[in-house]
Amino acid sequence: DVKVTQSSRYLVKRTGEKVFLECVQDMDHENMFWYRQDPGLGLRLIYFSYDVKMKEKGDIPEGYSVSREKKERFSLILESASTNQTSMYLCASSTIYLDRGHIQYFGAGTRLSVL
Amino acid sequence: GENVEQHPSTLSVQEGDSAVIKCTYSDSASNYFPWYKQELGKRPQLIIDIRSNVGEKKDQRIAVTLNKTAKHFSLHITETQPEDSAVYFCAASRSGGSNYKLTFGKGTLLTVNP
Repeated sequence: DVKVTQSSRYLVKRTGEKVFLECVQDMDHENMFWYRQDPGLGLRLIYFSYDVKMKEKGDIPEGYSVSREKKERFSLILESASTNQTSMYLCASSTIYLDRGHIQYFGAGTRLSVL
Repeated sequence: GENVEQHPSTLSVQEGDSAVIKCTYSDSASNYFPWYKQELGKRPQLIIDIRSNVGEKKDQRIAVTLNKTAKHFSLHITETQPEDSAVYFCAASRSGGSNYKLTFGKGTLLTVNP
């Protein structure tokens, strides 16, 4: 079974703090993704990565950055947290191989509150 | 880029009835259409998917249909049960290359009343 693990289920941070959200997958997947989930807005893609050290902006990258130094780990960074970044953050991974391709496996999510 | 619209946003049915959720997409190059189910407090999980070379796919009580010409696809759940209550997300994607990005709809909250 694919396992995608997010380091924290709940986080409370103060406005202006630098926040790191960590995600690790154990299936040697090439692709990794960060989404935020807000009621009524669905899953919105923040950033994704298709290889180590590679990253591409998603639909809502403003205020976020990412790091992928190792294949299994993808970090989301909030350089200076703001209250409008209070949300549920979901990490996902997928492989490029077509017979198993496209299926995204999600982590359990990190609920971030910025006060 | 791709845009996926999903309707309805909420759906309430009686146990045993059928439920239908519809999605439209904008990018005619999209060729992969998965559906994810997210139970309350849990992570989204793939329940069924369809590729553009197929018009319909069925897995027990769930089925997905695709109309490429009209650029819409639908999820059908028959004989609904309380455990079908969840948020359902449709998505669309192009295949090929190294980009396997999914564009999700906003989700449908399905409630199955016993």
